[in-house]
Amino acid sequence: QSALTQPASVSGSPGQSITISCTGTSSDFDGFDTVSWYQQHPGKAPKLMIHGVSERPSGVSNRFSGSKSDNTASLTISGLQVEDEADYYCSSHARSATFRVFGGGTKLTVL
Amino acid sequence: EVQLVESGGGLVQPGGSLRLSCAASGFSFRDYWMTWVRQAPGKGLEWVANVNQDEGDKKYVESVKGRFTISRDNAKNSLYLQMTYLRAEDTALYYCARDGMSFASDVWGQGTTVTVSS
Repeated sequence: QSALTQPASVSGSPGQSITISCTGTSSDFDGFDTVSWYQQHPGKAPKLMIHGVSERPSGVSNRFSGSKSDNTASLTISGLQVEDEADYYCSSHARSATFRVFGGGTKLTVL
Repeated sequence: EVQLVESGGGLVQPGGSLRLSCAASGFSFRDYWMTWVRQAPGKGLEWVANVNQDEGDKKYVESVKGRFTISRDNAKNSLYLQMTYLRAEDTALYYCARDGMSFASDVWGQGTTVTVSS
């Protein structure tokens, strides 16, 4: 059981926008905006897409954006492209005994 | 090129030990926190442990406390994970990662596979 809850799957058509939620308790988020999001294609290592809740690393498309409200973080992908089809994971540093937690992952299908 | 390369994985019997290594290149290794993350077959990512720049701060997921030890050698640009008393549930692909801004893991290796089975 992951500490952060994500939907198991989401889908969208090319050009559309989708949002993936990441919900936890107050102890799952350390209050220092350490939420990050990772994209993982099959057989590949994860790739950082968002850090600090809403910051994009250099080289990541501006179609990817992040936000957080209370105990729910969100990743929005606009203008869906076929290559966006992958698994997405949220992560945060936690106030709890577990220093860092990941969500269970969301499989994005681009129809 | 910024790169992390893991090694040391393999097949080990329950109760056995294994030492994973991660060789870093292309960046100032001594300036970063480093992390191990694992992924069981067909499952999601699980944070395992991390260490600060001078090994003064080490943290572990509850399930490996007392069994795994994270360490680093800044002179050799290397990160390690000593795993003892291995269990079947430790079977996974183990990734080494660099922690950058906001403690997000911004550089990942390709992983090394650990299989615990008799």
